[in-house]
Amino acid sequence: QKEVEQNSGPLSVPEGAIASLNCTYSDRGSQSFFWYRQYSGKSPELIMSIYSNGDKEDGRFTAQLNKASQYVSLLIRDSQPSDSATYLCAVTTSGGFKTIFGAGTRLFVKA
Amino acid sequence: GAVVSQHPSWVICKSGTSVKIECRSLDFQATTMFWYRQFPKQSLMLMATSNEGSKATYEQGVEKDKFLINHASLTLSTLTVTSAHPEDSSFYICSAPGRMTSGSTDTQYFGPGTRLTVL
Repeated sequence: QKEVEQNSGPLSVPEGAIASLNCTYSDRGSQSFFWYRQYSGKSPELIMSIYSNGDKEDGRFTAQLNKASQYVSLLIRDSQPSDSATYLCAVTTSGGFKTIFGAGTRLFVKA
Repeated sequence: GAVVSQHPSWVICKSGTSVKIECRSLDFQATTMFWYRQFPKQSLMLMATSNEGSKATYEQGVEKDKFLINHASLTLSTLTVTSAHPEDSSFYICSAPGRMTSGSTDTQYFGPGTRLTVL
């Protein structure tokens, strides 16, 4: 089992719709969870971080964490073509030291 | 937020040569830095953890004699790909943990990456 799993996609949504990205992780002791956005040929940039169960909202982005299910998700409201990118789920291991990335989900927002 | 730079941003070299990539934390000190490698359409794979003043810690399957890491100061880590071969062509990205301005938990700040092409 991979440590961090994501559906590779591509996920295609129309402009203005909600995009839902999902991620599961295997290390039950993980404490820190991140969503990064990566454009082709560029380095990842941090979108959201979440540390406790529940929802965390920041503008059009909402991160959801369920530690019991070892599940973290990212919702993007009012999706824009500029949101088209690969979204990487990242989890810091229980030692709090290393960050492990999922394979990423490619998102396409159609104008 | 915290800024991490990498140099060079891209490099093309002949097979058998060595290439050095620098990673600098510009406005904060980093006792630890991480080196990742990313092949096309794949995720970031952690190669090693660079520790200031001590030996790097390599992930399983990464050859420490091929990928030399030196963390000589609190703001600089270097990765040297020795005797590079075409299969080493990849996007190399470094990161450093820094404290988020909005909270108390560290996050990873990434450099812009270095694209290595070995002919």
